[in-house]
Amino acid sequence: EPEVTQTPSHQVTQMGQEVILRCVPISNHLYFYWYRQILGQKVEFLVSFYNNEISEKSEIFDDQFSVERPDGSNFTLKIRSTKLEDSAMYFCASSEGLAVTQYFGPGTRLTVL
Amino acid sequence: GENVEQHPSTLSVQEGDSAVIKCTYSDSASNYFPWYKQELGKRPQLIIDIRSNVGEKKDQRIAVTLNKTAKHFSLHITETQPEDSAVYFCAAISDRGSTLGRLYFGRGTQLTVWP
Repeated sequence: EPEVTQTPSHQVTQMGQEVILRCVPISNHLYFYWYRQILGQKVEFLVSFYNNEISEKSEIFDDQFSVERPDGSNFTLKIRSTKLEDSAMYFCASSEGLAVTQYFGPGTRLTVL
Repeated sequence: GENVEQHPSTLSVQEGDSAVIKCTYSDSASNYFPWYKQELGKRPQLIIDIRSNVGEKKDQRIAVTLNKTAKHFSLHITETQPEDSAVYFCAAISDRGSTLGRLYFGRGTQLTVWP
């Protein structure tokens, strides 16, 4: 069964550094998402992406965040200048359409020191 | 926007007993309600979902019920097994309005099944 993949599994960075988290969605899916989960808390929506543009973003997704689909397979989340509070598990997800099953990747644990 | 509340936050049951987790939502436009199971350090995995035009759905030991009028939905696990131990998240989503496709999650329920 196809799965969403993410790299790296764990990223450690210094505060103020830029990080890029990478995702490969399921190949026939059209909608892509980033969520984050701070340790012990609920999963929170960051951004959705469709047809090469952002469909919706949450209040968390400020100017420090950006997303890109640089080629036909990858979907990336960039945090330009990381803060301590960006430490979390970041999940990529994809779906065939709206309001249907979203399949999650294994996550990238980001630790900002 | 949508607000999903989930109860209880922790639930301990004996193997073989049933477990019930309840969620409420606020936005009447929400029309799809998935349940995810997340084992420690793993990705959330869909275990069952229900649409607003259906009142109940069952898959082996797992069932979900939806009451649109009251805006609440519940997960029922029967004959629990130790491998059911995980965090369970309910979620709600709408395909209409300004929050297209955005999943709103509950806070999660840590289910522990004791052998």
